[in-house]
Amino acid sequence: GQNIDQPTEMTATEGAIVQINCTYQTSGFNGLFWYQQHAGEAPTFLSYNVLDGLEEKGRFSSFLSRSKGYSYLLLKELQMKDSASYLCAVSPREAAGNKLTFGGGTRVLVKP
Amino acid sequence: DVKVTQSSRYLVKRTGEKVFLECVQDMDHENMFWYRQDPGLGLRLIYFSYDVKMKEKGDIPEGYSVSREKKERFSLILESASTNQTSMYLCASSSGLPETQYFGPGTRLLVL
Repeated sequence: GQNIDQPTEMTATEGAIVQINCTYQTSGFNGLFWYQQHAGEAPTFLSYNVLDGLEEKGRFSSFLSRSKGYSYLLLKELQMKDSASYLCAVSPREAAGNKLTFGGGTRVLVKP
Repeated sequence: DVKVTQSSRYLVKRTGEKVFLECVQDMDHENMFWYRQDPGLGLRLIYFSYDVKMKEKGDIPEGYSVSREKKERFSLILESASTNQTSMYLCASSSGLPETQYFGPGTRLLVL
């Protein structure tokens, strides 16, 4: 089966750093994605990790440890516009269709 | 830029009506997906398609059907709408590796 866990909600202050953790147990592994979703909008792609280590993209970084079934998304120099839900999704190894299994999302609230 | 469009942003239907939700992508992607998103339940996969005329059930296919007659278009059909199908419906498409999914803007459906 597929199981992805991430915290429901986090609060942080503008200018600070927040780390959103994601743990997963899936049948096979083909990569891990992070998406950002603002309220009432569609998810937008942030990052993809398939190998262990840290991928940095501006203020956002994503880390993966395949042996631990663990990833985190690091948001630095938080801005008010970063208030959104952040979805962790895993690509299990499937025969066709490249499905993703999504976690429930972490709602991040950035306060002034 | 990948563009995924959905036929309506908001839709109001009555119980028992047949409802069609249309999704079109312009990037020649093989894979297309329909999800619904509800508070506290996250993104749940209804159906997906990895080729024209091919379809696979997702996690919650009951009460839905799909049609993919052309590569760029994937339709979700609610044969007889019910109030528990009130939700946000999101379409996505993807191709190759990595299997990054790109989402449409979503259709917020209210069934009265």
